[in-house]
Amino acid sequence: QKEVEQNSGPLSVPEGAIASLNCTYSDRGSQSFFWYRQYSGKSPELIMFIYSNGDKEDGRFTAQLNKASQYVSLLIRDSQPSDSATYLCAVTYNTDKLIFGTGTRLQVFP
Amino acid sequence: KAGVTQTPRYLIKTRGQQVTLSCSPISGHRSVSWYQQTPGQGLQFLFEYFSETQRNKGNFPGRFSGRQFSNSRSEMNVSTLELGDSALYLCASRLGRGRETQYFGPGTRLLVL
Repeated sequence: QKEVEQNSGPLSVPEGAIASLNCTYSDRGSQSFFWYRQYSGKSPELIMFIYSNGDKEDGRFTAQLNKASQYVSLLIRDSQPSDSATYLCAVTYNTDKLIFGTGTRLQVFP
Repeated sequence: KAGVTQTPRYLIKTRGQQVTLSCSPISGHRSVSWYQQTPGQGLQFLFEYFSETQRNKGNFPGRFSGRQFSNSRSEMNVSTLELGDSALYLCASRLGRGRETQYFGPGTRLLVL
């Protein structure tokens, strides 16, 4: 069983819509959760991190964490074509190691 | 503050050779992690160094090794290169460990022929 799972996509949404990206993880002891964005040919860049259950908002981005269900999601409001990228979910485990999912490719079309 | 830098950015090697990649973390960051990224496997954790000591290791063969210097700069070495080692190698640094956010460098793209 993979430790961090994401749907590979592509997830296609029209410009202005809400994009919803999901991630599940296997270890209940996981403590920190991160969302990175990676454009083709570039390195990952941090979008948000979340540690506690609930929602965390930053501009057009909202991260949601539900530890009981072991999932973390990222909502992108008012999606723009420039948001088209691969979104990586990452989770830290007890060993302090950061484990990445394989990413979800998002396509925002005009 | 300068970001994470990696050298070289691109590299072409042949099977059986060895390669050394370098990573300079953000100033003040003491933790450096290395990842291999391929289209099929995504981002795979190689190892993490903190204060010159390897703290974590991923599931890679012993051909992959690394070290960290007293100034927190890190090097990664791959010996006896195989075709399957062709990948983007990413270095990430963070201030400490635990919940600290990792920041990635631009990566070194390695092609093994």
